[in-house]
Amino acid sequence: NAGVMQNPRHLVRRRGQEARLRCSPMKGHSHVYWYRQLPEEGLKFMVYLQKENIIDESGMPKERFSAEFPKEGPSILRIQQVVRGDSAAYFCASSPKSGVETQYFGPGTRLLVL
Amino acid sequence: AQSVTQLDSHVSVSEGTPVLLRCNYSSSYSPSLFWYVQHPNKGLQLLLKYTSAATLVKGINGFEAEFKKSETSFHLTKPSAHMSDAAEYFCVLGSNFGNEKLTFGTGTRLTIIP
Repeated sequence: NAGVMQNPRHLVRRRGQEARLRCSPMKGHSHVYWYRQLPEEGLKFMVYLQKENIIDESGMPKERFSAEFPKEGPSILRIQQVVRGDSAAYFCASSPKSGVETQYFGPGTRLLVL
Repeated sequence: AQSVTQLDSHVSVSEGTPVLLRCNYSSSYSPSLFWYVQHPNKGLQLLLKYTSAATLVKGINGFEAEFKKSETSFHLTKPSAHMSDAAEYFCVLGSNFGNEKLTFGTGTRLTIIP
């Protein structure tokens, strides 16, 4: 059973470009979570999604950031018009159901904005 | 409000000596607590979790943690450190009331001295 897959692993963008980060959850998992890790900090919750639904986006910046988890295909975290402050590691996690189920993390996408 | 405090940002121990990584939590609800490990440029791996069963939790690679409600603590220990234990360790707080937003501590960097 493959783990959580994220791609790309590394992404370089210039200021003003768009960044698209992809996450494929573990097989059988229908809950996806995105976290951001700024340098020298812990992970911060961004958004929680189930298939075709955003359940909790209280950690998402109000502008430029969006997330989706379509019926088919991976979850996408999209950052429009990136700025240097968006440089971070973005981790996706998945779980089979909500509640206290363990979240399994992917290897992360490291975004560098030049 | 939920919060996690990791009391030490850096811990150094000699190979073969005990490891103690300290974590205190604050939660309005009955907590779930986790320890994750992150090796450089890698994703997060679950070491162990507490979800209101036995207060002494055993995890992988010889790690264990004890949940102490009276002290609101969940310290991570290992009897004998190995070079491969060098990594960043995160204490993480969940909730038994369906709060899917994990709350991460700021991390403790463990260095093993040969």
